[in-house]
Amino acid sequence: DIQMTQSPASLSASVGETVTITCRASENIYSYLAWYQQKQGKSPQLLVYNAKTLAEGVPSRFSGSGSGTQFSLKINSLQPEDFGSYYCQHHYGTPYTFGGGTKLEIK
Amino acid sequence: EVKLEESGGGLVQPGGSMKLSCVASGFTFSSYWMSWVRQSPEKGLEWVAEIRLKSDNYATHYAESVKGKFTISRDDSKSRLYLQMNSLRAEDTGIYYCTGMITTAMDYWGQGTSVTVSS
Repeated sequence: DIQMTQSPASLSASVGETVTITCRASENIYSYLAWYQQKQGKSPQLLVYNAKTLAEGVPSRFSGSGSGTQFSLKINSLQPEDFGSYYCQHHYGTPYTFGGGTKLEIK
Repeated sequence: EVKLEESGGGLVQPGGSMKLSCVASGFTFSSYWMSWVRQSPEKGLEWVAEIRLKSDNYATHYAESVKGKFTISRDDSKSRLYLQMNSLRAEDTGIYYCTGMITTAMDYWGQGTSVTVSS
């Protein structure tokens, strides 16, 4: 199975800052990488798929990049509603696997 | 508005069975691959099973950890997804989410249903 490794595991930032979360795949997944946001007590929501395509309704301050085995999610000008957990997931065929998550907290 | 609503979770004894159901609305259910994903503090997010379209002969795929124990199925006429879970063990405990996939990522998620396997 393809292993997905996310870093950092946790991150503290202030409103208005820019943050980057990275995700590494154990083998080449081309651009089949998705990012999800999960708020406390809620289900995950798709942010980005195919590494850089924003899902419908996702603000443009979110951006995804990368291909192959190295990927990143960048959030420009953090807003209060952006705090929560973020997960990467490869969608290059089954079994799909998720990263361990990054918890983004308010500084 | 897209909505996925799971039901059927609860407490079950080890070795027992449970069937989860998910009803979809707000999108063309029959055009979407569907998956079950579970989440637990110990394992995080874990994909469980996927079912494809009628045109794919409803092909199914399973995580190794549930192969032979769980069965995913769908009823397109009712916009419903199911997960039959047998031989349940403590490690199957978690929140089970129904997801809809049009991009091959998990585009839509339900609110989840909690499954606890314990004596």
